[in-house]
Amino acid sequence: ETGVTQTPRHLVMGMTNKKSLKCEQHLGHNAMYWYKQSAKKPLELMFVYNFKEQTENNSVPSRFSPECPNSSHLFLHLHTLQPEDSALYLCASSQAPSETQYFGPGTRLLVL
Amino acid sequence: DAKTTQPPSMDCAEGRAANLPCNHSTISGNEYVYWYRQIHSQGPQYIIHGLKNNETNEMASLIITEDRKSSTLILPHATLRDTAVYYCIVRVAPGGGADGLTFGKGTHLIIQP
Repeated sequence: ETGVTQTPRHLVMGMTNKKSLKCEQHLGHNAMYWYKQSAKKPLELMFVYNFKEQTENNSVPSRFSPECPNSSHLFLHLHTLQPEDSALYLCASSQAPSETQYFGPGTRLLVL
Repeated sequence: DAKTTQPPSMDCAEGRAANLPCNHSTISGNEYVYWYRQIHSQGPQYIIHGLKNNETNEMASLIITEDRKSSTLILPHATLRDTAVYYCIVRVAPGGGADGLTFGKGTHLIIQP
């Protein structure tokens, strides 16, 4: 599927690095989401954006900084991460909040 | 959002119908039942959703009991590519509450050749 794309697909970073994850949706949706899936754990919602405005922050540490410049693009800026932040980071979009969400393929992050 | 209960794993023979149950006994009148699946290390894939009527699309059928306390996802002719973790999620209608999806542990469906 090419509806929601994420780059990079894999990322290895040290604890002192700064990196960014990118998500782009080609579905004309207005809401975008970041989820985190750690090993053997269910997906956890991190952030919700609606029309570029953040509407939900699920108590995420400040070392994760989201950015939504427009309704089609969503970034997750990472800095001074910890090894326990290693996970699959998933982006999703929907026409409006609470409508059906469509997910990207995810970015597999490893923090050393 | 209401809590759901699913069996942790199920097996099904290739070519047969796979019937995945979900209990949601505390579901409210304005809550929908959604099904997603996740093939290993990929993003979740939307399958189907419904409120109270049975629904069918090109991927699956969703059967919701009359009291809406349980539902069954049916994959009519399972293939090896249907091996995945299937999530049953109950959530409010648009505008009715939190916007994110609450995922549980799901059912790991294994299609046997």
